[in-house]
Amino acid sequence: GAVVSQHPSRVICKSGTSVKIECRSLDFQATTMFWYRQFPKQSLMLMATSNEGSKATYEQGVEKDKFLINHASLTLSTLTVTSAHPEDSSFYICSAAAGPRGYGYTFGSGTRLTVV
Amino acid sequence: KNEVEQSPQNLTAQEGEFITINCSYSVGISALHWLQQHPGGGIVSLFMLSSGKKKHGRLIATINIQEKHSSLHITASHPRDSAVYICAADPPGANFGNEKLTFGTGTRLTIIP
Repeated sequence: GAVVSQHPSRVICKSGTSVKIECRSLDFQATTMFWYRQFPKQSLMLMATSNEGSKATYEQGVEKDKFLINHASLTLSTLTVTSAHPEDSSFYICSAAAGPRGYGYTFGSGTRLTVV
Repeated sequence: KNEVEQSPQNLTAQEGEFITINCSYSVGISALHWLQQHPGGGIVSLFMLSSGKKKHGRLIATINIQEKHSSLHITASHPRDSAVYICAADPPGANFGNEKLTFGTGTRLTIIP
């Protein structure tokens, strides 16, 4: 089945640094990638939707200059948390849709970011 | 009121019990998804259904479009089924599969050996 590989699974970084999270679709072409954030014991919160070759669409309240999303190819989308602060510590997870009707979504394994 | 509501929020059961998790939604949908989130955080898509019933192993998902209600059943539950189960509404749209999902708040299931 369709697999989305997400790396890293865990990262600890210092406040003020940037962190890049990658999501790769391994056996299909992900025309659309969704990036979510999840706080403990809460549901997924959509941050942005990225389509290959175009700018990402950010949800209200999500700072596009802080959370940079790049979807340069049909198999790779990246989320970069710039100038990270402790309040950015969270669980980030991507989800890909290939586009065909009825295909559904495949999720990455998530990245737990801790900013110290 | 959330557009997608799940019940119960938490469920603890003995191994072997039949489990039912409910999901009610108030939005229009093209499909309803059931997801499983393991303690480590990874999410697995269990079912996507727009009508009727689907079965995969010990898991069964049903949906009643008229009543805007879906259920996820687990037969012969096992400790490895312990996870958070999330339902998500997929909105109507011509390119369905690429639209924003509306998530329920999840049901935390714990199966005791």
